[in-house]
Amino acid sequence: SQTIHQWPATLVQPVGSPLSLECTVEGTSNPNLYWYRQAAGRGLQLLFYSVGIGQISSEVPQNLSASRPQDRQFILSSKKLLLSDSGFYLCACTTGGPYGYTFGSGTRLTVV
Amino acid sequence: GENVEQHPSTLSVQEGDSAVIKCTYSDSASNYFPWYKQELGKRPQLIIDIRSNVGEKKDQRIAVTLNKTAKHFSLHITETQPEDSAVYFCAASFNKFYFGSGTKLNVKP
Repeated sequence: SQTIHQWPATLVQPVGSPLSLECTVEGTSNPNLYWYRQAAGRGLQLLFYSVGIGQISSEVPQNLSASRPQDRQFILSSKKLLLSDSGFYLCACTTGGPYGYTFGSGTRLTVV
Repeated sequence: GENVEQHPSTLSVQEGDSAVIKCTYSDSASNYFPWYKQELGKRPQLIIDIRSNVGEKKDQRIAVTLNKTAKHFSLHITETQPEDSAVYFCAASFNKFYFGSGTKLNVKP
């Protein structure tokens, strides 16, 4: 079964600074990849998903962007962080159809 | 897109009692309905799922029911234990997952 590596685990960044979160997948090829954000005490908001290299779909308008430079690598970026970007960011992966996400361990981002 | 609503937002039960969490969805194309458990500060973990061609599924103390006509599905936990305390999320999926807002379950010993 697939394993998702996500880093860093925690991150404190000042407002206006750039962001780069990385997610890599092992144990499978051609996965569907997803970025979710979870605000404190809230649900999971789908930010981006990708069905292949260079194919990115955005669910909500925001100052974040995503890229998939390799089959099993998914990157979440921002040029200038806002306070509202704080949250728990989770990368997820599915293979062979939509059945059952595997989540990464998450990155807790605090923008100060 | 899909809209998933989940109720209640918080649920407190006594150890040994049953807990029921309900979700509704809007997109009739959704055909897969997983439930996740998230402990504080950790990633969500899949606990049970059901596909649209099935009305009920059970795994030990956990069961899920699906009513496709009414577009709602429910999670049932029987004989609750303190370690069941967590936040539970439902989701509906056709090719992407849309999650409910979560239910914080507190099982009192």
